[in-house]
Amino acid sequence: DTEVTQTPKHLVMGMTNKKSLKCEQHMGHRAMYWYKQKAKKPPELMFVYSYEKLSINESVPSRFSPECPNSSLLNLHLHALQPEDSALYLCASSQRGGNTDTQYFGPGTRLTVL
Amino acid sequence: AQKITQTQPGMFVQEKEAVTLDCTYDTSDPSYGLFWYKQPSSGEMIFLIYQGSYDQQNATEGRYSLNFQKARKSANLVISASQLGDSAMYFCAMREKTSYDKVIFGPGTSLSVIP
Repeated sequence: DTEVTQTPKHLVMGMTNKKSLKCEQHMGHRAMYWYKQKAKKPPELMFVYSYEKLSINESVPSRFSPECPNSSLLNLHLHALQPEDSALYLCASSQRGGNTDTQYFGPGTRLTVL
Repeated sequence: AQKITQTQPGMFVQEKEAVTLDCTYDTSDPSYGLFWYKQPSSGEMIFLIYQGSYDQQNATEGRYSLNFQKARKSANLVISASQLGDSAMYFCAMREKTSYDKVIFGPGTSLSVIP
């Protein structure tokens, strides 16, 4: 089973709202990732958690706040977003990181910021 | 400098024909992995195939095969017997040993299968 789940599937929020995206995997993977993807573009890495510790933050604005409560769960807290933050947000997981390690992606959350 | 190049922004193929999607990469790390993903319009990124830099044989998974030419730094995806459901964006990606947690994606190729 290579399933990564993400909720919600779609989210519309105003610029003053606070919302959260959730990602879950039960494959025993120890690395989890958040990506942002604009239409017709490749995914852009935002954050990586490795063994529940933040290992990479790709200079993401502080209005995005990741959280990894346990090895199966990854959240992305959103606050005071801008319309240009509208995108598909993809979560992925992999066994532990490393060049032979395959990432498996969730179905994504389509975010619209009004 | 771009580490992954996919020179075909868009391609068309007739149903049941084979198609090759190009991918070239740039790395000085001797140990790396190459991946292909498919992304239909629904948005989910679907893993297709993996090739390790030390693998002697080209990877195959069902109708997908990877034409790995290490000296040319090329990892082309071959889809045999195209189906309408193969219409999607295809991304080539690389993971270097020295960049442990990062995956670098190419710009993608949009494939349309014509009945």
